[in-house]
Formats: sequence, C-alpha cells, structure tokens
Amino acid sequence: AQTVTQSQPEMSVQEAETVTLSCTYDTSESDYYLFWYKQPPSRQMILVIRQEAYKQQNATENRFSVNFQKAAKSFSLKISDSQLGDAAMYFCAYRWFGNEKLTFGTGTRLTIIP
Amino acid sequence: DSGVTQTPKHLITATGQRVTLRCSPRSGDLSVYWYQQSLDQGLQFLIQYYNGEERAKGNILERFSAQQFPDLHSELNLSSLELGDSALYFCASSVEGPTGELFFGEGSRLTVL
Repeated sequence: AQTVTQSQPEMSVQEAETVTLSCTYDTSESDYYLFWYKQPPSRQMILVIRQEAYKQQNATENRFSVNFQKAAKSFSLKISDSQLGDAAMYFCAYRWFGNEKLTFGTGTRLTIIP
Repeated sequence: DSGVTQTPKHLITATGQRVTLRCSPRSGDLSVYWYQQSLDQGLQFLIQYYNGEERAKGNILERFSAQQFPDLHSELNLSSLELGDSALYFCASSVEGPTGELFFGEGSRLTVL
C-alpha cells in the first residue's frame, strides 16, 4: 500500500524568508502524481502545486516550488518570500496513475512570524 | 470557490443518532470522493463514486454508507454515531482520468456529543 510521510508536524519561518517542508512516500508504482495541498484556518483544501512522476523537471508555481527526487521517493515543498497568508496546514498527497484516490500525509502546520 | 458544495457546514448531534451529509460536485465532474479528517489528522479516504457507481472504497465503517444520485450529487450517511465520529468530512470531485487534481468542498464539521 502507498504511504505518505510528513515528518515535521510544525514549522515556522520569518516573513519574507524561505522554508522547506519535507515529504517522503512509499510506492512500487512508476507512474503517479504528487501534490501539495494547503489548508488555511478556513478549512478549505487548496491545491498548491502538482508534480507528475514522469517529468524530471521540478514543478514551480510562483513562490512555490518542489524538489522531486524520484529515486529517493522524496517530494519537498519550498516556499520563497513567505507571506502571512501562507500560514496553514500543508498536506503532501500521492495519487497513482491507475487509481483516482489521493493518499495524504499527516500534515505540517506552518506558522509565519511577522 | 472550488465549485464543490457541501451541506451542512456544521452539525451537532448525539451519540446513537444518524446524519446525512450532502455534496454537489463541480459541474461536469463525474467522480465524487469522501474523506474524513479527525482533529489534527490527515485526510482519510472513505469512498469514491463515479457516475453513480461505487469505484473505490477505503477505510469506511459499516455504519457509514454513501451513494451518488443520477444528478451526480452524493450523500454520506453516518449512523449509530459515536463520539469518535466527530470530524470534518470533505467531499471532493474530479473529472475522469489521471489528471490528478481533486477539487474540495469546504467540509462538513460533525460534532457528536
């Protein structure tokens, strides 16, 4: 079974600084997707960024980028120029190409220090 | 706004009772997923429906059931409620295919007293 592990329950960063959230996963599949979702206090699950496993290039969305290491089964999220609005729970998630179900990690709570 | 609508947003009930949570997917999405998020936990997959048929089942209790109707809205029924069923229940929808992205509703917060 696929599992997703987020080993950092909580992280904090100074406003305007850069922070990296870690995620590892376990799978025997070769075709899959990885995601980072953000859950602010409003509870809404918001997609931050997506990575296709067959793509070697790391995905980037404005201030958010990932470091995807397929061999190491690692998928970290880097947030640059952190803003107060980035404060939220961040969930890493995995989805196998042949299965539409998302498997989530337990989340990392990110605090932004003004 | 994700386009996925969940009702009710909040629900308080007593142990032993039964509740129904409702989800309307985004226009055009055929797949509906239900997830449970207990306090400070990740999201646990419960069940998926595609165009009215059950497609995948996760860690869903026998006391829980779901269905998807011809108009594609879905209902999650929770019966014989226990204190431990208190959680945030999310519905998500997606188009068919491995594009990967699920769109989530705002969740239904269930409190069992």
